[in-house]
Amino acid sequence: AQTVTQSQPEMSVQEAETVTLSCTYDTSESNYYLFWYKQPPSRQMILVIRQEAYKQQNATENRFSVNFQKAAKSFSLKISDSQLGDTAMYFCAFSRGLQGAQKLVFGQGTRLTINP
Amino acid sequence: GAVVSQHPSRVICKSGTSVKIECRSLDFQATTMFWYRQFPKQSLMLMATSNEGSKATYEQGVEKDKFLINHASLTLSTLTVTSAHPEDSSFYICSARDLLGGPQETQYFGPGTRLLVL
Repeated sequence: AQTVTQSQPEMSVQEAETVTLSCTYDTSESNYYLFWYKQPPSRQMILVIRQEAYKQQNATENRFSVNFQKAAKSFSLKISDSQLGDTAMYFCAFSRGLQGAQKLVFGQGTRLTINP
Repeated sequence: GAVVSQHPSRVICKSGTSVKIECRSLDFQATTMFWYRQFPKQSLMLMATSNEGSKATYEQGVEKDKFLINHASLTLSTLTVTSAHPEDSSFYICSARDLLGGPQETQYFGPGTRLLVL
């Protein structure tokens, strides 16, 4: 079974700083997908970024980028120039890359607070 | 695009009654929808996978007779909490996968339903 571990329950940084959230996972699969989801106080889950395991290039979405280390099974999220609106719970998630809709396995979450 | 709605957003009911929660994909078709439960300050726990036109697949430990799932069309799945009890109070979230478009394996989430059983 796949597992996802986020070792940082809470983090706090000042506005405009850069912050990195950690995520490790365990799987025997060779093809899979990794995601970071954001859950602000509204509790709406929002996709931040996704990464296909077969791609060596790290995914980037504006201020958000990942450091995907496949051999180490690590998938960290870097938020540059952090903004107050980035305050939220962040969940790392794993999905197998098989045919058909595959379920997401979530980590425990990291509560990120951006301070003014 | 890729909008998922849930109704109601919050519901309060008496113990012993049943509550139905709807999950709709508004601008795409979804053969598969997922139902999650989230306790305060915790992660999402998958309850079941809802497949259009067939029986849902429940995760271990989730009572299928307690949490009835119906996925009658490509845009609608319903979760019915039967004979609700206070311990069923929680935040329920659905997600859907875009059958024909969008990034592969990406799930889009509804805004959630807060259930309080008195």
